[in-house]
Amino acid sequence: AQSVTQLDSHVSVSEGTPVLLRCNYSSSYSPSLFWYVQHPNKGLQLLLKYTSAATLVKGINGFEAEFKKSETSFHLTKPSAHMSDAAEYFCVVSERGGYQKVTFGIGTKLQVIP
Amino acid sequence: DGGITQSPKYLFRKEGQNVTLSCEQNLNHDAMYWYRQDPGQGLRLIYYSQIVNDFQKGDIAEGYSVSREKKESFPLTVTSAQKNPTAFYLCASSIQQGRGNQPQHFGDGTRLSIL
Repeated sequence: AQSVTQLDSHVSVSEGTPVLLRCNYSSSYSPSLFWYVQHPNKGLQLLLKYTSAATLVKGINGFEAEFKKSETSFHLTKPSAHMSDAAEYFCVVSERGGYQKVTFGIGTKLQVIP
Repeated sequence: DGGITQSPKYLFRKEGQNVTLSCEQNLNHDAMYWYRQDPGQGLRLIYYSQIVNDFQKGDIAEGYSVSREKKESFPLTVTSAQKNPTAFYLCASSIQQGRGNQPQHFGDGTRLSIL
């Protein structure tokens, strides 16, 4: 069985300061991991994905995430927050194999303060 | 540009009425999905389809029905049996089920409310 836990439901940062959104996962198999962003009344947009290549993954809009197997974590970071980063972020785990089971975290709302 | 189109953007349902949400994709993806999003609950899978004329129930299929007559289309019907239909509905597609490293691509959603 797989699961994903987003450790913070809300995160608030000042514009220009670093962003850290935390995600822990559990999986019986070698997982693929994704981060998506959702702006109000919009669909989810893929930020980045980890699929067993490099453990440090770079995504769009300056975001990156590091896969740490020993800690079962896949935290999302950005060096400097912009106002446009205010949105909801979802961590997603997917198990590879004959059946693709996809599990979404409950989301972290990022507030950026001017 | 390729993508997923959901319509309408807003939909209202009367008591005892069935309503159908449209989802069309021109990405040539095999797999398509319907999710329901409620505040604080993330996304929950309603139905998914791997190929034309085949679909499976997800975690919360009761009160919903789907069809997959064409590769590019996967409409969702919210029936009168769904007693709490108010939610944001998202349609997604991916290259193929069974390849866990393939991300899903999402439409912009339909917001359904009860009149």
